[in-house]
Amino acid sequence: EAQVTQNPRYLITVTGKKLTVTCSQNMNHEYMSWYRQDPGLGLRQIYYSMNVEVTDKGDVPEGYKVSRKEKRNFPLILESPSPNQTSLYFCASSFYRTGARTQYFGPGTRLTVL
Amino acid sequence: DQQVKQNSPSLRVQEGRISILNCDYTNSMFDYFLWYKKYPAEGPTFLISISSIKDKNEDGRFTVFLNKSAKHLSLHIVPSQPGDSAVYFCAASAYGQNFVFGPGTRLSVLP
Repeated sequence: EAQVTQNPRYLITVTGKKLTVTCSQNMNHEYMSWYRQDPGLGLRQIYYSMNVEVTDKGDVPEGYKVSRKEKRNFPLILESPSPNQTSLYFCASSFYRTGARTQYFGPGTRLTVL
Repeated sequence: DQQVKQNSPSLRVQEGRISILNCDYTNSMFDYFLWYKKYPAEGPTFLISISSIKDKNEDGRFTVFLNKSAKHLSLHIVPSQPGDSAVYFCAASAYGQNFVFGPGTRLSVLP
């Protein structure tokens, strides 16, 4: 089954404790992206990657890191989480060519930083 | 300033009637638009798309209309069903760049 998986689905942590949210896709997509969803603001892009070893900042990259060592995986790293990073996070992937840019989203990770 | 706006946070419609969800954008360079549907505890799922060379795209009960001069698009659902109750996001992209999402509209279809 074609899918994007994220782990964990729910996470409660404390300020400053490093964490990683994993994302994996099995559709051989070149493009992967991380979003956060906050009330009234919709989905805002954090980081994206157009292929292996190619990553770039989205609209709200502060406080986050990513890596793309393999095509299927795109982990999101919070080196020192803060309460303003409490949010719902989505990973997404797609092909990167005209006419096939529909993104497939993972189920989401709800993060609470105390 | 939000480039993609969905000015109605919520919409309630009776089952069988038409649902119309609106989306406005400010960037005239946007050339590709998508609608996503999101159920609670799930990720958004693709619903329908339209490119700027068209003014209408239809897929079953779902039709998207694009008015480039007004920088406005709308999603029509006819007839609306209770299973359509979800949050709907409009998204726009310019020339293969990253998508910008609107804040979403929560649709409730009442039986």
